[in-house]
This record gives sequence, structure tokens and C-alpha cells, in this order.
Amino acid sequence: DQQVKQNSPSLSVQEGRISILNCDYTNSMFDYFLWYKKYPAEGPTFLISISSIKDKNEDGRFTVFLNKSAKHLSLHIVPSQPGDSAVYFCAARKSNTGKLIFGQGTTLQVKP
Amino acid sequence: DTAVSQTPKYLVTQMGNDKSIKCEQNLGHDTMYWYKQDSKKFLKIMFSYNNKELIINETVPNRFSPKSPDKAHLNLHINSLELGDSAVYFCASSSASSGNTIYFGEGSWLTVV
Repeated sequence: DQQVKQNSPSLSVQEGRISILNCDYTNSMFDYFLWYKKYPAEGPTFLISISSIKDKNEDGRFTVFLNKSAKHLSLHIVPSQPGDSAVYFCAARKSNTGKLIFGQGTTLQVKP
Repeated sequence: DTAVSQTPKYLVTQMGNDKSIKCEQNLGHDTMYWYKQDSKKFLKIMFSYNNKELIINETVPNRFSPKSPDKAHLNLHINSLELGDSAVYFCASSSASSGNTIYFGEGSWLTVV
């Protein structure tokens, strides 16, 4: 029962272009969503988050969009840089549990 | 100045052995976690402690026993290791003051042979 899904295992983008990573969830009780970035042999690092009361949050080159009716969120990276090449995990949280449910990750490759 | 540090980073051990992974955080957080990343790359929570008290215990075999001597430490002890325990184990921490964002350690690669 995978409550958070990232259906694209990989994405390749040219440097300078926009990267769009997608995430779908099934549980309407989730109230907080996060994106993590992970390099090989390292732990996930927090990137950006959004509360369920918002539909957009922006931080520099990173913007997260939330569509609650579609139970869908996306991470936009613009402009993409080669250093953005990593695995990106979407995660969701229910406020009464405090635990994160992760998607299976999308590997982003940004080509110079 | 690693915020969440765990040791060892790599561990190769034989089936049936007992091993521990240690975790320490210097962020002043009051909640700590153990997550497991399996062969399919899914990250799943195993345990969570808040101020040394167990608050989340997912369906994990009782061969896995977390120990929190204080709120800055959460160790994971695994008895009678099995081949299926091979995975990457991530320690993490959070607090209300961090907006409940969870910060992860670098991971411990456990291989059971």
C-alpha cells in the first residue's frame, strides 16, 4: 500500500532548462509535504516543503506546487544545474503521527 | 560539524550475529528516528523516540531494538541478523522548533552475508 508515489524513476534535463518532478499521494489526511534530495552514499537532505493550506512555496530556484484536489505535488527546478543531479524523494506527513511517508524517488540527471 | 552522525557507515557481518548502529544528533532536537532503505530504494520508518520515549514502532521484527539513553542519542541493536536485514539504515531527528522537518544522517550500509 504505497501512499506516496513517484511514477517516474528517472528524468534527464539539459542544463538551464526546467526540471519538473512529480509526486502523487492517496491519503487526504496528509497535511505537510516535503522534498528531499539525496546524493549517492549520503543521507537525504531537506530541500523544500509545503503545508496543505498552501498551493505554492518558492525558495530560490526551487518551487513546490500542491494540487490537493488531484492529490498531486510537483517540484520545479529552474534553471537546472549539473549539481542538481541526484535522487529526489517526495514525502508526506500526517500531523497526528509525525512520521514521513516517502515515495520511491526520482533520479534527476542534468546534462551540461 | 555533522548534525546527525551515525556509526559505522559500512558494516559487513555474518548471519546470526548481533550488531549495533549508533546515532547522535547535536541539533538539540527532541525527536529521533530510524528509517530503513530497502533494496527497492523505499525509505520506511522503523522507530521514533521523543525525549527518550518510544512513540512510533512500525511493524519491525523484535530482533530490532532501539535504545535511547538520552534525547541526543538513538542506537539500533539488531539480534540474530538475517540476509534480509541487508539495507541502508538512516538515523534522523526533528523538533517542533525546526518546523518538524526531519534531518537525516549519512546512513549505515549493512550487508549480511
